[in-house]
Amino acid sequence: NAGVTQTPKFQVLKTGQSMTLQCAQDMNHNSMYWYRQDPGMGLRLIYYSASEGTTDKGEVPNGYNVSRLNKREFSLRLESAAPSQTSVYFCASSALAEPAVEQYFGPGTRLTVT
Amino acid sequence: EDKVVQSPLSLVVHEGDTVTLNCSYEVTNFRSLLWYKQEKKAPTFLFMLTSSGIEKKSGRLSSILDKKELFSILNITATQTGDSAVYLCAVAPNTGNQFYFGTGTSLTVIP
Repeated sequence: NAGVTQTPKFQVLKTGQSMTLQCAQDMNHNSMYWYRQDPGMGLRLIYYSASEGTTDKGEVPNGYNVSRLNKREFSLRLESAAPSQTSVYFCASSALAEPAVEQYFGPGTRLTVT
Repeated sequence: EDKVVQSPLSLVVHEGDTVTLNCSYEVTNFRSLLWYKQEKKAPTFLFMLTSSGIEKKSGRLSSILDKKELFSILNITATQTGDSAVYLCAVAPNTGNQFYFGTGTSLTVIP
């Protein structure tokens, strides 16, 4: 089992460029999440998907879109990157659509927007 | 507004010391509190606590929750350099699927 995988590991974008961060899990989990982590800010939820076919906004959704392509894959898209989106992005998954269940995290994508 | 506050922000100790990390929360309809360890990569799960007063233990790490006073502590005894990491606390409410994370406590253990 690879667990939760993310691509790419690193990315540098210019302001205004677009890109998609990919996430996949092989644990047959229902729920998937996208977080960003900034110094002094902790992990902040961008979007989540409680189950295949559903997505919901988290704490900081502006400037992002998501797609739950199937049960395994959950992608995060930046349509027009801004320097404020420079961050480390983590994808996570959990077994049930309940908040009490632990999350498993991917290795992260370090994104720099210049 | 739901929030999770961790203290201290950072801590430097010598190997063999015992440390206590704190997590206080204000979350509507609390369901569970989780502790994670993050070592320059993805957070890894340590404990989940749902009931007050019941200690969870794993080796030198232990944690307890006080639902009346709205806080949890994570204890690490006989610290080792491998314990150096950021320790994150997250709280899950009873509704919705969100976890609210604190900013973490950065622990450095020096030989």
